[in-house]
Amino acid sequence: EVQLVESGGGLVQPGGSLRLSCAASGFTFSSHSMNWVRQAPGKGLEWVSYISTSGSTIKYADSVKGRFTISRDNARNSLYLQMNSLRDEDSALYYCALASSQHWGQGTLVAVSS
Amino acid sequence: DIQLTQSPSSLSASVGDRVTITCQASQDIRKYLNWFQQKPGKAPKLLIFDASRLETGVPSRFSGSGSGTDFTFTISSLQPEDVATYYCHQYANLFTFGPGTKVDVQ
Repeated sequence: EVQLVESGGGLVQPGGSLRLSCAASGFTFSSHSMNWVRQAPGKGLEWVSYISTSGSTIKYADSVKGRFTISRDNARNSLYLQMNSLRDEDSALYYCALASSQHWGQGTLVAVSS
Repeated sequence: DIQLTQSPSSLSASVGDRVTITCQASQDIRKYLNWFQQKPGKAPKLLIFDASRLETGVPSRFSGSGSGTDFTFTISSLQPEDVATYYCHQYANLFTFGPGTKVDVQ
């Protein structure tokens, strides 16, 4: 069974940093490109970042470019999102998902507030 | 950047009704469109990929059509368990989600 389990969310002050992790199991992680997608409370879905299978291709939404860094460790079957210079508007439930969209985690909640 | 618009933003229909949602892209995305269903408190679930292909295990009352810039998602016979928000999603050039359509049962 495919499982994606996010962790690392929490409450952080504006300007702070968090590192999200996504542990993958039940499939060959190294064969799949991955996305981070977020959803602010009561709002729609917003794509955040993409990473290819080897990590050689990385893309960001304009809203996070220069502040967030996506990475992966295929040996550890893990996906990461380093979030720096956090803003109020980054508050959301952050999902990791296969880029093919077939499988999503349950999300980890990030709250940015003073 | 490619923008997606969906209409309507919400709808209410009776059990057994045919429900149609449209999604328009700001530029040609060929067939590279997904449709998701999201129920409250749950992760999105892929229903349709490549504009018209039904994901494994998804009931056949769900269907999608279209290509280029104009797409349609249909529930042929609305069921109570279909209450959810539905999103279109393009992957032709980076990734974009539509604003969503909230579907209720009367």
